[in-house]
Amino acid sequence: EIVLTQSPGTLSLSPGERATLSCRASQSVSSNYLAWYQQKPGQAPRLLIYGASSRATGIPDRFSGSGSGTDFTLTISRLEPEDFAVYYCQQYGSSPRTFGQGTKVEIK
Amino acid sequence: EVQLVESGGGLVKPGGSLRLSCAASGFTFTSYSMNWVRQAPGKGLEWVSSISSSSSYIYYADSVKGRLTISRDNAKNSLYLQMNSLRAEDTAVYYCAREKNWGGFDLWGRGTLVTVSS
Repeated sequence: EIVLTQSPGTLSLSPGERATLSCRASQSVSSNYLAWYQQKPGQAPRLLIYGASSRATGIPDRFSGSGSGTDFTLTISRLEPEDFAVYYCQQYGSSPRTFGQGTKVEIK
Repeated sequence: EVQLVESGGGLVKPGGSLRLSCAASGFTFTSYSMNWVRQAPGKGLEWVSSISSSSSYIYYADSVKGRLTISRDNAKNSLYLQMNSLRAEDTAVYYCAREKNWGGFDLWGRGTLVTVSS
C-alpha cells in the first residue's frame, strides 16, 4: 500500500498570498497518477488536478500541480476567499487508491 | 444533468447490514469504473472499494474486505455497496465517485450517512 503524507497539516494565509502544499508518497506513484481534491465543509470533494499536473475541467489556472515519483506539490498562486478549504492528495495508479490525510488552508 | 445520487444510509446496530445505492444519470455509466469513498465524522477521506466498467476487476480496502461487497447494474445505471457485519468504525458519510480513465475521481455524489451504534 502506498502511504501519502501531506504537509503541513494546517496552512494559515491571507487572501492574495501563495499557498504551497506538499504530498509525499512512501513509494513511487505509478505513471504519476496523482490527484488533488478540494473539500469544503458539508460538501463532497472536488477534483482539481489529475496526472500530477493536469487541471480538471473548470478549475481556475491559479491552481497548479507539479512533481513526480514520490514528491508532489499543489500550488495556489493567489488565494481567493473561496479557496479556504481542506485539500487531499490521492494516488490512483494502484490499489488501494490511497488518500493523504489532508491539509487545511485557513484564513490568517 | 450529470450526477450521482446515493441512498440507503441510516442507523444500524453493530453486526447489522445495510445496502447503499448510487444512481447515475447524464453520462454513459458503462464507460466508467466506479468507487466508494467514505469519511468518518471530522476525519479525512478513505477509499473503500472500486469496480471496473464490466465488473471484471474489483478491489477493496483491507479494512472492509470480507464484509463489504461492491456491485453494479449497468442496465439500471446503478452502483451498490452491500455492507455486512457492520462495526462502529464503519460510521461515515459514504460517497460514490466516478473514475475518469486514469484521471482521478471526477464526479462525486453528495454522500449518504451510515451510523453504526447500539
